[in-house]
Amino acid sequence: AQTVTQSQPEMSVQEAETVTLSCTYDTSESDYYLFWYKQPPSRQMILVIRQEAYKQQNATENRFSVNFQKAAKSFSLKISDSQLGDAAMYFCAYRGLTDMRFGAGTRLTVKP
Amino acid sequence: NAGVTQTPKFQVLKTGQSMTLQCAQDMNHEYMSWYRQDPGMGLRLIHYSVGAGITDQGEVPNGYNVSRSTTEDFPLRLLSAAPSQTSVYFCASSRTGLNEQYFGPGTRLTVT
Repeated sequence: AQTVTQSQPEMSVQEAETVTLSCTYDTSESDYYLFWYKQPPSRQMILVIRQEAYKQQNATENRFSVNFQKAAKSFSLKISDSQLGDAAMYFCAYRGLTDMRFGAGTRLTVKP
Repeated sequence: NAGVTQTPKFQVLKTGQSMTLQCAQDMNHEYMSWYRQDPGMGLRLIHYSVGAGITDQGEVPNGYNVSRSTTEDFPLRLLSAAPSQTSVYFCASSRTGLNEQYFGPGTRLTVT
């Protein structure tokens, strides 16, 4: 079965600085997607960014970008110019054809 | 466009009681899923459906039943609630099996 590991239970960043959240996964599938979701205290799951495994180019969405290393099975999220509204739980997720797995999450605190 | 809706938002059950968590989506998505979220464990897949009339088990299916009679609705049934089923439950839908999922607001269930 696929597994997703987020090794940083908590991270902290100063407002306007950059922070990187780590994620590794394990799979034998060749066709899959990877996602980062944000969960604020409202508990709504919000999609931050997605990466198709067949694409070599790293996905970017405004201040959010990923470093996708397929051979290393690594998928980190970089948040640039951090804002107070970025404070939340962040979940890395793997989606294959018949399975979807989430990491345990990283709680991000943004200091003013 | 309401997206994915879930009812109720909160529920308290006694051990042994049964209930159904409702989930509906208005995006004509084929894929629908149910997850539970427990502290420190991320989201875990309970059951999923790839279309009306087709369902399958996820990572933690025991104690839960599902059916999919229409594209829009995907209810989750707890036949005999147990304290171990205390959790936050999320329903999600996606256009295909590899696209990003859209999540409902969640249901917080407490079993005493």
